[in-house]
Order: sequence, then C-alpha cells, then structure tokens
Amino acid sequence: GAGVSQSPSNKVTEKGKDVELRCDPISGHTALYWYRQSLGQGLEFLIYFQGNSAPDKSGLPSDRFSAERTGGSVSTLTIQRTQQEDSAVYLCASSSPADREYYGYTFGSGTRLTVV
Amino acid sequence: DAKTTQPPSMDCAEGRAANLPCNHSTISGNEYVYWYRQIHSQGPQYIIHGLKNNETNEMASLIITEDRKSSTLILPHATLRDTAVYYCIVRVYSGGYQKVTFGIGTKLQVIP
Repeated sequence: GAGVSQSPSNKVTEKGKDVELRCDPISGHTALYWYRQSLGQGLEFLIYFQGNSAPDKSGLPSDRFSAERTGGSVSTLTIQRTQQEDSAVYLCASSSPADREYYGYTFGSGTRLTVV
Repeated sequence: DAKTTQPPSMDCAEGRAANLPCNHSTISGNEYVYWYRQIHSQGPQYIIHGLKNNETNEMASLIITEDRKSSTLILPHATLRDTAVYYCIVRVYSGGYQKVTFGIGTKLQVIP
C-alpha cells in the first residue's frame, strides 16, 4: 500500500491478556519505529528497527513489551500480561534513509488499545 | 529528552494567520527542523521541513532564525480543519539513525 498500515485499529482486551499489534511499513522503508501516546500526552518512543541492525529497544517500558520485524518489513509489537496503564494509542512510523527522503517519518493511523 | 520547546496551546481566529513558535537552541549543524501535525485520532502528518532557509509549501511556511535556534510555522489562513496538535522536531535529514522524541506539541484551536 501507499501508506503505513496498522492493525487492528481498535483493540479492547482484559487485564492480564497478551496482545499483538501489527505494522506494515511503506514498501522500501528500511526504518520502522513504534511510539505510544497516552491520552493527552506526547509521543513516547518505544523501539526502532533499521535494516538488519540490532533494534534500539531503549524505549520499551518493561519486559512485558517486545517487538519483532520479520524480513525487514512487517513488525509486531507484543504486550504480555496487559495492565490498565498500557491503554494508549500505539503508533508505527517508517522512514527511508535514502538521500532524497523529504518527509522524515510517515505514520500509520495507530492502534487504540484499551485494557479493561 | 525533547530537543525542542513549544507553547502547550494557542488560539487563532478562523481566516487569520496562525504563528506557531518552536525553540531548538541545541540544534546541530546537520539537523533539520521538521513540523508535523496530529488531528484527533489520527497519526501525525508531515507538514514541512527546513535547514536554514525559509520554506513554503501548499500547507504552510517555515521561518527559521539566522542562528537556527528557533523557528515559526505559519498557517497563512487558518481554517477550522487546522485545529490539531502541532509538533516541532529536529533530526538529521538522511542517513544514520536518530531516536527522535516528540514533545507534547502545541495544541492549536482555530476559533470560528
């Protein structure tokens, strides 16, 4: 597709359950980022993937959070044993380090996660 | 830590110019200023970017001070649809990786 695609768009889960959030970046974009945005807050960096390099996981808030990027394309963010404080919009963005990239990041529409 | 500071909120009358300031006093020589906006319930959308020269596109103008320590995003004729949170960030233009922090941005309310 032309943009960054995220699924599901909305997810309601019970406390303690695991959830998986999916991100499909723009074709050819080698960099992929996950951010989290709690209600009324700015974007909190979670994790970054660049090509085949080891991901930068420094923003993950706890070991319940993990992410994978298979084949340098699709990424899955997994939250285990969800807590109510995990409720937020999870945003994925991709970018290209190519010299003629003008747009910095292209964001998806996000997954709104509600833990009840 | 965010490398930019912005006022948390601003109001603007519909049809008037909206001028959104951003301070980035620690900007490096190879860092560009990017502006994004986030309309409620959507992902942030690119608006404009610049290095040191003023820039203009169909959405907005970007004025960067000569010392590059601050900039202003100008929406020349604000409409109700411009109500959004506006983020100013600095990052390298291309190549390499930079963990970018988006602050809380400026919440612009366009008033009828």
